Amino acid sequence: QQQVKQSPQSLIVQKGGISIINCAYENTAFDYFPWYQQFPGKGPALLIAIRPDVSEKKEGRFTISFNKSAKQFSLHIMDSQPGDSATYFCAASMVPGNQFYFGTGTSLTVIP
Amino acid sequence: DSGVTQTPKHLITATGQRVTLRCSPRSGDLSVYWYQQSLDQGLQFLIQYYNGEERAKGNILERFSAQQFPDLHSELNLSSLELGDSALYFCASSTRTSGRDEQYFGPGTRLTVT
Repeated sequence: QQQVKQSPQSLIVQKGGISIINCAYENTAFDYFPWYQQFPGKGPALLIAIRPDVSEKKEGRFTISFNKSAKQFSLHIMDSQPGDSATYFCAASMVPGNQFYFGTGTSLTVIP
Repeated sequence: DSGVTQTPKHLITATGQRVTLRCSPRSGDLSVYWYQQSLDQGLQFLIQYYNGEERAKGNILERFSAQQFPDLHSELNLSSLELGDSALYFCASSTRTSGRDEQYFGPGTRLTVT
């Protein structure tokens, strides 16, 4: 059973546009929500993370929006660039443990 | 570079064989995690060790086992290999295991079972 559901599976965006990836979860014990970026042939790298006590976190062009009541969170990439083309994974974990439950990934392609 | 190292980078072996994947965590990290990434299953958590002790188990098959040594490096042993075990295997490490710790991933080992 997939603990974290991610959509869309793939996304094509024009350069300069906004990329939006959505994730949903059911387990209310989750309290840490990271996003990872993975390039072909590389391991996932932490992009940005949020805790449920805030509704939004922004780092540069990347923003996480978090809706605790809806049990949903999303990644927004502003001014998308071709270099952002990668696979993005959302994840969730709970205290204690730190085991990450990953979404199925979104393949993002930014067209020049 | 995350600071997590994994060897080998690629491994090709036959069905029924046994292989060992090795991971060295970032300096100072006590917790090691193993994940399997396949096209149809995504990133699946296998097992976690913290300072030499098993801390959590995920979707790890009985044919698979792992351990963390006193120097904190970890090994994942895969035995009686099947074609379906072909996947990318990632190791990650974190400083602690509080539930809110960043995990840093290694470059992975690509296992091909023929």
